[in-house]
Amino acid sequence: NAGVTQTPKFRVLKTGQSMTLLCAQDMNHEYMYWYRQDPGMGLRLIHYSVGEGTTAKGEVPDGYNVSRLKKQNFLLGLESAAPSQTSVYFCASSPVSGANVLTFGAGSRLTVL
Amino acid sequence: AQSVTQPDIHITVSEGASLELRCNYSYGATPYLFWYVQSPGQGLQLLLKYFSGDTLVQGIKGFEAEFKRSQSSFNLRKPSVHWSDAAEYFCAVVPMDSSYKLIFGSGTRLLVRP
Repeated sequence: NAGVTQTPKFRVLKTGQSMTLLCAQDMNHEYMYWYRQDPGMGLRLIHYSVGEGTTAKGEVPDGYNVSRLKKQNFLLGLESAAPSQTSVYFCASSPVSGANVLTFGAGSRLTVL
Repeated sequence: AQSVTQPDIHITVSEGASLELRCNYSYGATPYLFWYVQSPGQGLQLLLKYFSGDTLVQGIKGFEAEFKRSQSSFNLRKPSVHWSDAAEYFCAVVPMDSSYKLIFGSGTRLLVRP
């Protein structure tokens, strides 16, 4: 049982380039989330989804877009990367039960030069 | 403003010593409360959670946390720290006005002296 899988694990971009981070979960969870982690700031919610075909903004959504075309996948896109988006990105999922116990992926480290 | 505060950025303890990591929150109603641990280069793992009921909560790896409503605190404790406990610890809340937004504190990095 893989849980939550993020790809790629590492990526280096130049300013202005675009890329997509893929998150896949095999637990049939309804809710999925994208967080970014920066030193001294904990994890901040970028976007989240409460079901297939739905997305919503979190605390820091600017510069990112997301899509949830399939229940098991949640994509995070950067259309024009900026150095301020250098971070470690974590995907997570949780069941509908409302217990909100999140299962996290291992993270994707993105560097924007 | 609504927030989750972990006042200690770093804590160093000797192996075998006791540990307490502090967490305070400022929300009108008592939120759901969580502690997560992140080992170097890893994702986050849930240690324990509090929704209601008994204010002393037991978690994995020998950790426990106590909810104190009067102090708006949810401090994490362990009676005897092992070297493998060295990691970063995050307190998190789900505010009662949002059933699916987990809000994290800034984290406390635990260092363990041999």
